Amino acid sequence: QKEVEQDPGPLSVPEGAIVSLNCTYSNSAFQYFMWYRQYSRKGPELLMYTYSSGNKEDGRFTAQVDKSSKYISLFIRDSQPSDSATYLCAMSGGNQFYFGTGTSLTVIP
Amino acid sequence: DTAVSQTPKYLVTQMGNDKSIKCEQNLGHDTMYWYKQDSKKFLKIMFSYNNKELIINETVPNRFSPKSPDKAHLNLHINSLELGDSAVYFCASSQDAIEGQPQHFGDGTRLSIL
Repeated sequence: QKEVEQDPGPLSVPEGAIVSLNCTYSNSAFQYFMWYRQYSRKGPELLMYTYSSGNKEDGRFTAQVDKSSKYISLFIRDSQPSDSATYLCAMSGGNQFYFGTGTSLTVIP
Repeated sequence: DTAVSQTPKYLVTQMGNDKSIKCEQNLGHDTMYWYKQDSKKFLKIMFSYNNKELIINETVPNRFSPKSPDKAHLNLHINSLELGDSAVYFCASSQDAIEGQPQHFGDGTRLSIL
Protein backbone atom coordinates (compact mmCIF):
# COMPACT_ATOMS: atom_id res chain seq x y z
CA GLN A 1 0.00 0.00 0.00
CA LYS A 2 1.33 3.43 -0.92
CA GLU A 3 1.88 5.89 1.91
CA VAL A 4 -0.25 8.52 0.17
CA GLU A 5 -2.96 7.90 -2.42
CA GLN A 6 -4.29 10.61 -4.69
CA ASP A 7 -6.59 10.25 -7.69
CA PRO A 8 -4.60 11.53 -10.68
CA GLY A 9 -7.68 12.68 -12.56
CA PRO A 10 -7.78 14.45 -14.91
CA LEU A 11 -10.59 16.54 -13.50
CA SER A 12 -12.40 19.00 -15.75
CA VAL A 13 -14.95 21.48 -14.36
CA PRO A 14 -16.77 24.59 -15.65
CA GLU A 15 -15.74 27.99 -14.34
CA GLY A 16 -17.48 28.82 -11.07
CA ALA A 17 -17.79 25.21 -9.93
CA ILE A 18 -16.73 23.96 -6.50
CA VAL A 19 -13.79 21.59 -6.79
CA SER A 20 -12.98 18.89 -4.28
CA LEU A 21 -9.54 17.27 -4.28
CA ASN A 22 -8.67 14.44 -1.90
CA CYS A 23 -5.87 12.30 -0.55
CA THR A 24 -5.85 9.31 1.73
CA TYR A 25 -2.90 8.06 3.72
CA SER A 26 -1.92 5.08 5.79
CA ASN A 27 0.69 6.39 8.24
CA SER A 28 -0.88 7.57 11.50
CA ALA A 29 2.37 9.42 12.36
CA PHE A 30 1.58 12.14 9.81
CA GLN A 31 0.78 15.41 11.62
CA TYR A 32 1.48 18.10 9.03
CA PHE A 33 -0.55 18.37 5.84
CA MET A 34 0.07 20.52 2.81
CA TRP A 35 -1.35 21.24 -0.59
CA TYR A 36 0.86 22.37 -3.44
CA ARG A 37 -0.19 23.77 -6.80
CA GLN A 38 2.00 23.09 -9.81
CA TYR A 39 1.50 24.96 -13.07
CA SER A 40 2.85 23.48 -16.26
CA ARG A 41 6.64 23.84 -16.50
CA LYS A 42 6.86 25.31 -13.02
CA GLY A 43 7.80 24.01 -9.59
CA PRO A 44 5.25 23.09 -6.91
CA GLU A 45 4.05 26.13 -4.98
CA LEU A 46 2.83 25.84 -1.39
CA LEU A 47 -0.89 26.63 -1.27
CA MET A 48 -2.15 25.49 2.13
CA TYR A 49 -0.50 24.20 5.31
CA THR A 50 -2.32 22.65 8.25
CA TYR A 51 -1.32 20.90 11.43
CA SER A 52 -3.34 17.98 12.79
CA SER A 53 -7.11 17.77 12.21
CA GLY A 54 -9.47 20.58 11.34
CA ASN A 55 -10.18 23.15 8.67
CA LYS A 56 -8.22 26.07 7.33
CA GLU A 57 -9.56 28.67 4.95
CA ASP A 58 -7.65 31.08 2.72
CA GLY A 59 -9.74 33.03 0.25
CA ARG A 60 -11.42 30.59 -2.14
CA PHE A 61 -9.41 27.65 -0.77
CA THR A 62 -10.32 25.45 2.21
CA ALA A 63 -8.18 22.61 3.48
CA GLN A 64 -9.71 19.89 5.65
CA VAL A 65 -7.94 17.19 7.60
CA ASP A 66 -9.70 14.20 9.15
CA LYS A 67 -7.04 12.22 10.96
CA SER A 68 -9.49 9.61 12.22
CA SER A 69 -10.27 8.65 8.62
CA LYS A 70 -6.76 9.43 7.35
CA TYR A 71 -8.30 11.68 4.72
CA ILE A 72 -7.49 15.20 3.61
CA SER A 73 -9.31 17.48 1.19
CA LEU A 74 -8.84 20.74 -0.64
CA PHE A 75 -11.92 22.66 -1.72
CA ILE A 76 -11.78 25.41 -4.31
CA ARG A 77 -14.83 27.68 -4.47
CA ASP A 78 -15.79 29.73 -7.53
CA SER A 79 -13.09 28.00 -9.57
CA GLN A 80 -11.31 30.09 -12.19
CA PRO A 81 -9.43 29.14 -15.36
CA SER A 82 -6.28 30.31 -13.56
CA ASP A 83 -6.81 27.44 -11.09
CA SER A 84 -6.00 24.96 -13.88
CA ALA A 85 -2.93 23.13 -12.61
CA THR A 86 -1.81 19.93 -10.92
CA TYR A 87 -2.53 19.81 -7.20
CA LEU A 88 -0.30 17.70 -4.99
CA CYS A 89 -1.01 16.80 -1.41
CA ALA A 90 1.95 16.33 0.92
CA MET A 91 2.25 15.16 4.47
CA SER A 92 4.89 14.83 7.11
CA GLY A 93 5.42 13.12 10.42
CA GLY A 94 7.59 10.50 12.05
CA ASN A 95 10.58 11.94 10.19
CA GLN A 96 8.97 11.18 6.86
CA PHE A 97 7.70 13.46 4.11
CA TYR A 98 5.57 12.18 1.25
CA PHE A 99 3.90 13.71 -1.76
CA GLY A 100 0.81 12.39 -3.48
CA THR A 101 1.01 11.80 -7.21
CA GLY A 102 -1.03 14.91 -8.01
CA THR A 103 -4.48 15.58 -9.51
CA SER A 104 -4.63 17.43 -12.81
CA LEU A 105 -7.41 20.06 -12.83
CA THR A 106 -8.74 22.01 -15.79
CA VAL A 107 -11.28 24.80 -15.27
CA ILE A 108 -13.13 25.51 -18.49
CA PRO A 109 -14.20 29.15 -19.14
CA ASP B 1 13.97 37.94 -6.65
CA THR B 2 13.55 34.22 -7.23
CA ALA B 3 13.64 32.36 -3.90
CA VAL B 4 14.94 29.01 -5.19
CA SER B 5 16.69 29.15 -8.54
CA GLN B 6 18.06 26.32 -10.62
CA THR B 7 20.34 26.31 -13.64
CA PRO B 8 20.05 25.26 -16.33
CA LYS B 9 16.29 25.16 -16.97
CA TYR B 10 16.76 22.72 -19.85
CA LEU B 11 19.50 20.18 -20.43
CA VAL B 12 19.65 18.02 -23.53
CA THR B 13 22.61 15.69 -23.76
CA GLN B 14 23.83 12.36 -25.04
CA MET B 15 23.83 9.08 -23.14
CA GLY B 16 27.11 8.52 -21.32
CA ASN B 17 27.86 12.21 -20.72
CA ASP B 18 28.42 13.82 -17.32
CA LYS B 19 26.40 16.89 -16.36
CA SER B 20 25.74 19.15 -13.36
CA ILE B 21 22.71 21.07 -12.15
CA LYS B 22 23.06 23.99 -9.76
CA CYS B 23 20.66 25.31 -7.14
CA GLU B 24 20.70 28.41 -4.99
CA GLN B 25 18.22 29.67 -2.40
CA ASN B 26 18.05 33.18 -0.96
CA LEU B 27 15.49 32.40 1.75
CA GLY B 28 18.06 31.89 4.50
CA HIS B 29 16.95 28.28 4.89
CA ASP B 30 19.14 25.62 6.45
CA THR B 31 17.86 22.59 4.55
CA MET B 32 17.89 21.83 0.83
CA TYR B 33 16.62 18.92 -1.25
CA TRP B 34 16.81 17.30 -4.66
CA TYR B 35 13.72 15.64 -6.11
CA LYS B 36 13.14 13.74 -9.34
CA GLN B 37 9.71 14.10 -11.00
CA ASP B 38 8.83 11.49 -13.58
CA SER B 39 6.43 11.78 -16.50
CA LYS B 40 3.51 10.88 -14.21
CA LYS B 41 4.28 13.86 -11.97
CA PHE B 42 5.41 11.70 -9.05
CA LEU B 43 7.94 13.57 -6.88
CA LYS B 44 10.60 11.30 -5.44
CA ILE B 45 13.13 12.63 -2.97
CA MET B 46 16.75 11.88 -3.78
CA PHE B 47 18.88 13.79 -1.27
CA SER B 48 18.64 16.32 1.51
CA TYR B 49 21.30 18.49 3.13
CA ASN B 50 21.02 20.38 6.40
CA ASN B 51 23.67 23.03 6.93
CA LYS B 52 25.91 21.40 4.33
CA GLU B 53 25.55 17.93 5.84
CA LEU B 54 23.88 15.05 4.04
CA ILE B 55 20.83 13.90 6.03
CA ILE B 56 18.73 12.03 3.47
CA ASN B 57 20.27 9.74 0.88
CA GLU B 58 17.57 7.66 -0.78
CA THR B 59 18.24 4.65 -2.97
CA VAL B 60 19.73 6.47 -5.92
CA PRO B 61 22.43 5.17 -8.31
CA ASN B 62 25.98 6.11 -7.34
CA ARG B 63 26.17 8.05 -10.58
CA PHE B 64 24.29 10.83 -8.78
CA SER B 65 26.42 12.86 -6.40
CA PRO B 66 25.17 15.93 -4.54
CA LYS B 67 27.46 18.64 -3.19
CA SER B 68 26.65 21.52 -0.86
CA PRO B 69 29.43 24.12 -0.77
CA ASP B 70 27.40 26.24 1.67
CA LYS B 71 23.87 26.14 3.05
CA ALA B 72 22.54 28.37 0.28
CA HIS B 73 23.75 26.11 -2.53
CA LEU B 74 23.14 22.50 -3.46
CA ASN B 75 24.45 21.06 -6.71
CA LEU B 76 23.80 17.71 -8.36
CA HIS B 77 26.36 16.00 -10.55
CA ILE B 78 25.34 13.04 -12.70
CA ASN B 79 27.89 10.73 -14.28
CA SER B 80 27.40 8.44 -17.28
CA LEU B 81 23.88 9.61 -18.04
CA GLU B 82 21.34 6.96 -19.01
CA LEU B 83 18.04 7.14 -20.88
CA GLY B 84 16.14 6.52 -17.64
CA ASP B 85 17.60 9.69 -16.13
CA SER B 86 15.33 11.77 -18.36
CA ALA B 87 13.03 13.63 -15.95
CA VAL B 88 12.51 16.99 -14.29
CA TYR B 89 14.82 17.56 -11.33
CA PHE B 90 13.59 19.95 -8.65
CA CYS B 91 15.57 21.65 -5.95
CA ALA B 92 13.73 22.69 -2.79
CA SER B 93 14.53 24.27 0.55
CA SER B 94 12.94 24.47 3.99
CA GLN B 95 13.62 26.54 7.09
CA ASP B 96 15.26 23.58 8.80
CA ALA B 97 15.07 19.80 9.01
CA ILE B 98 12.48 19.72 11.81
CA GLU B 99 9.56 17.62 10.63
CA GLY B 100 6.60 19.39 9.15
CA GLN B 101 8.51 22.27 7.59
CA PRO B 102 6.97 23.18 4.24
CA GLN B 103 9.31 23.07 1.28
CA HIS B 104 9.80 25.76 -1.33
CA PHE B 105 10.63 24.63 -4.84
CA GLY B 106 12.56 25.93 -7.80
CA ASP B 107 11.11 25.70 -11.30
CA GLY B 108 13.00 22.55 -12.21
CA THR B 109 15.63 21.42 -14.66
CA ARG B 110 14.27 19.42 -17.57
CA LEU B 111 16.83 16.78 -18.45
CA SER B 112 16.49 14.92 -21.74
CA ILE B 113 18.88 12.14 -22.68
CA LEU B 114 19.25 11.36 -26.37
